[in-house]
Amino acid sequence: AQSVTQPDIHITVSEGASLELRCNYSYGATPYLFWYVQSPGQGLQLLLKYFSGDTLVQGIKGFEAEFKRSQSSFNLRKPSVHWSDAAEYFCAVGAMEYGNKLVFGAGTILRVKS
Amino acid sequence: DAGVIQSPRHEVTEMGQEVTLRCKPISGHDYLFWYRQTMMRGLELLIYFNNNVPIDDSGMPEDRFSAKMPNASFSTLKIQPSEPRDSAVYFCASSRQESYGYTFGSGTRLTVV
Repeated sequence: AQSVTQPDIHITVSEGASLELRCNYSYGATPYLFWYVQSPGQGLQLLLKYFSGDTLVQGIKGFEAEFKRSQSSFNLRKPSVHWSDAAEYFCAVGAMEYGNKLVFGAGTILRVKS
Repeated sequence: DAGVIQSPRHEVTEMGQEVTLRCKPISGHDYLFWYRQTMMRGLELLIYFNNNVPIDDSGMPEDRFSAKMPNASFSTLKIQPSEPRDSAVYFCASSRQESYGYTFGSGTRLTVV
């Protein structure tokens, strides 16, 4: 069965520092990978997605993610975090074999300290 | 585009009452999803539709939950009777088949007392 693991429940970084949020997946197919962000009281917003091709994907708000098939990972990165990046981040996995159905990780809450 | 529109934003109801949550997907999107989010269980897929037809309802917790999509622009999730453990944020999302990335609504925060 497909699953997504986000090992870090909470992460705190200083404003201006770099960020990496981890995501590992277990999928019996070629995966499609996504990162979403959720601000308090809001729905989830798509940051970026990977289907195929270049394994380094650029997204909105200065985020990027790298797909590493050998490690079954799709980690999210940002070189310099802003206070407005404080939110909860979700990794999600899908595959054509499973239709449009996505499986979401448990989320990582990012705190930014000034 | 107004995005995915959910109503109401907040709902407080008494145990045993019927609750109906509403969703208007983005025009042209042929998939619609209902998710429930709680602290304990995270995001759970309840049911999803393709071209108004329910495809997978294996996540619906029990018979008290039902969902319909009478046309491409409207879906409802109904809980009857409601129980305190149904308290959660319910999200609707829609997508086009070729894009896979979902667009989420702002959610309905349901509190059953």
